[in-house]
This record gives sequence, structure tokens and C-alpha cells, in this order.
Amino acid sequence: GAGVSQSPSNKVTEKGKDVELRCDPISGHTALYWYRQSLGQGLEFLIYFQGNSAPDKSGLPSDRFSAERTGGSVSTLTIQRTQQEDSAVYLCASSSRRAGDTEAFFGQGTRLTVV
Amino acid sequence: AQTVTQSQPEMSVQEAETVTLSCTYDTSENNYYLFWYKQPPSRQMILVIRQEAYKQQNATENRFSVNFQKAAKSFSLKISDSQLGDTAMYFCAFGDGGSNYKLTFGKGTLLTVNP
Repeated sequence: GAGVSQSPSNKVTEKGKDVELRCDPISGHTALYWYRQSLGQGLEFLIYFQGNSAPDKSGLPSDRFSAERTGGSVSTLTIQRTQQEDSAVYLCASSSRRAGDTEAFFGQGTRLTVV
Repeated sequence: AQTVTQSQPEMSVQEAETVTLSCTYDTSENNYYLFWYKQPPSRQMILVIRQEAYKQQNATENRFSVNFQKAAKSFSLKISDSQLGDTAMYFCAFGDGGSNYKLTFGKGTLLTVNP
């Protein structure tokens, strides 16, 4: 596709359920990020994938959060046993190579609401 | 770890006037990159301007320019001739040019352009 695609756009789930959020990066981009944005807040780093290197998971807030990236392309962020404080917009971004010095392209995010 | 601070949670400006958004950062790196991203109500993050730390010349993109003060670790964004479409959240970001490559974002400044 032409840009970073995230699905679903919106997700409402009951507290305690598991959810999966999907990110399709721009083809050929080796770097992929997940960020969380709570209402009116900045971007909270969650996890970073770069090529075949071990992902940087230092931003994951708890062991209920995990992410994988299959085949160096599509990524899935999984939240187990969701809590109300998990409600936020989850943004995915990808970049062509060394992400620190190149533009990161963002998807439109998934708005997660835990009720 | 790098930190990015945006000290102005909200700002407003009259249409056609000039406004400056502040950003400071903290790093021990010498090779890095700085970005300003815009997030309009549509939620789509868009790159506004980027600056390489090794360049002394301030970056400009049409009505947008930066004042990069490396010694002071300051990276402010100036918007000239403000337009209604400039209303958005603006995020300052730091890109590690070393082995980490991670993008770190500030908490953002909500800019409102008034008619």
C-alpha cells in the first residue's frame, strides 16, 4: 500500500478481554514502531523493531503487552486482559532504514476503548 | 536515555501572525536528528521539518523554520503567516543517530490558529 495501514480503526472491548492490533508498514521499511497516545497526551514509546535485530521492548508498560513482527513486515500488538487504563490511540510508524535519521511515516492509529 | 521537553501545553495565535513553539532535549550523543511533527484532528501524524545535528544552518520549509541551538539543546519551531489549517498538535522528536535509532517524542503543544 501507499502508506502505513492500521486495523481496526476503532475497537471497543470489555475489560479482561484480549485484543490484537495490526500494523502493515510501508513495503521495504525495516524499522517499525508502536506508540500509545492517551487523550490529549504525547506519544508514549512502546516497542521498536529494526530489521532482524532483537526488538527494543523497553517501553511496554506491563507483561500484558506484547508485539511481534512476522517476516519483517506486518506487526501485531497484543494486549491481554485489557484494563480501562489501556484505553488510548495506538499508533504504528515505519521508516526506511536507520530510523533515527529518517522520517517515520505513521498510520492513522487504532482507538482502543476498554469498557 | 534521551528526553524531549515541550514546555507549552497550549498556544494560540491570530491568523497571519507568527508563533514559536519551544522544544528542549537532553542527550549525550553528538550525532542525532531532530524533527517536528504535526497531528491535526484527523490524527494523522505528518512530518513538518527535520534538522541534522551536524548542520549549523537552520532548516526551513516554506512558512516553517527552526532555531537550532546545539549547545543549549534547544530546537524551536517558528510558523510564519499562520493559517487556520495549522491548527494541530505539534510534537518535537529526537532521533538517535547512533546504534539505537529510536525516536523519542515530547508531550506536544496544542496550537490553535484563530481567525
